[in-house]
Amino acid sequence: GQNIDQPTEMTATEGAIVQINCTYQTSGFNGLFWYQQHAGEAPTFLSYNVLDGLEEKGRFSSFLSRSKGYSYLLLKELQMKDSASYLCAVRGNTGGFKTIFGAGTRLFVKA
Amino acid sequence: NAGVTQTPKFQVLKTGQSMTLQCAQDMNHEYMSWYRQDPGMGLRLIHYSVGAGITDQGEVPNGYNVSRSTTEDFPLRLLSAAPSQTSVYFCASHPWEDNNYGYTFGSGTRLTVV
Repeated sequence: GQNIDQPTEMTATEGAIVQINCTYQTSGFNGLFWYQQHAGEAPTFLSYNVLDGLEEKGRFSSFLSRSKGYSYLLLKELQMKDSASYLCAVRGNTGGFKTIFGAGTRLFVKA
Repeated sequence: NAGVTQTPKFQVLKTGQSMTLQCAQDMNHEYMSWYRQDPGMGLRLIHYSVGAGITDQGEVPNGYNVSRSTTEDFPLRLLSAAPSQTSVYFCASHPWEDNNYGYTFGSGTRLTVV
């Protein structure tokens, strides 16, 4: 089976850096994804990691350690519009390559 | 390019009624999924399809049916609605061979069963 854990809520200040952690247990692994979801809207794809290390995309970076079952999403130069939920998701490599989501981390950015 | 289109956006059903949530994508994506999202529980996979004619169950399939007669369409049927099926439903798709491509989600259907 698969299990994904991430903090329920985080608060950070505009202009700062925040790191959102995700730990997972899976019987097979074919990639880890991060999505952003604003309240009342659909999730949107942010990043994908399949190999260990850091992937950088502008203000957003995502890190993966497969041996530790651990990932984090790093958001730099926080803006008020970054207030949203951030969803960690893992794709398996068996049984149809299903993608399972964590419950999400609600990030509040304050001025 | 419309992406993933879900209809309706809102629906109220009475317990025991049946209905079909529509999902269509115009990106020629092989892989399509249905998720439900409930407060505090994240997105839970209901059913998925790896291509036309092929469907399989996810984490919470009971009470739902799907079919995939074409690449574009992936409808979700509620057989006999129950209050526990009150939720926000998202349809999503991605190309099968490009793993670096996350899901594209529809805008969601907000369903209330009374």
